[in-house]
Amino acid sequence: AQSVTQLDSHVSVSEGTPVLLRCNYSSSYSPSLFWYVQHPNKGLQLLLKYTSAATLVKGINGFEAEFKKSETSFHLTKPSAHMSDAAEYFCVVTQREAGGYNKLIFGAGTRLAVHP
Amino acid sequence: DTEVTQTPKHLVMGMTNKKSLKCEQHMGHRAMYWYKQKAKKPPELMFVYSYEKLSINESVPSRFSPECPNSSLLNLHLHALQPEDSALYLCASSQFMNTEAFFGQGTRLTVV
Repeated sequence: AQSVTQLDSHVSVSEGTPVLLRCNYSSSYSPSLFWYVQHPNKGLQLLLKYTSAATLVKGINGFEAEFKKSETSFHLTKPSAHMSDAAEYFCVVTQREAGGYNKLIFGAGTRLAVHP
Repeated sequence: DTEVTQTPKHLVMGMTNKKSLKCEQHMGHRAMYWYKQKAKKPPELMFVYSYEKLSINESVPSRFSPECPNSSLLNLHLHALQPEDSALYLCASSQFMNTEAFFGQGTRLTVV
């Protein structure tokens, strides 16, 4: 079975400084990995995805993530935080199911706070 | 159009009421999902429909009854809920394996 561990439940940064949200995964096969963002009382928005193409994945709003198989990591980064980045971030791995769909395995989430 | 639309956005219901949540997507996705999300927690899978057939029921109580009338629509019928069922209910859809899921904005349900 697949699993995901988000190493920090809370991260606090100042506006304009880099963001690093850490995610480790466990998978018995080459995984698909995603980062989703959730603003308060909103649904989940896909930030970026890794599906066995380039290991450095660029997403929306300046975010990117690097897939490192040797470290089983998929950390999310952004060079310069913006106040609007304050939200909950979920690292997700897919688990293949026989019925022709993906079961999403969620990490516990990391709450990002951005201070002026 | 990469949108999943959920209605209503907010719902308050009594424990004896019957209500329904609706979800619609027009991306041609053949898998649709219901998730329940409590505050400060990740979403928990409730049901999966694959090709309009119920594929997964994650041991959800029978007071929640899903329905997939066609490939674009997904409903969640609610009856005799408990206050602990109050949560954000999220609908999502995806194509096939190794593709991303698209989420709706959710329905904030309060049971009184």
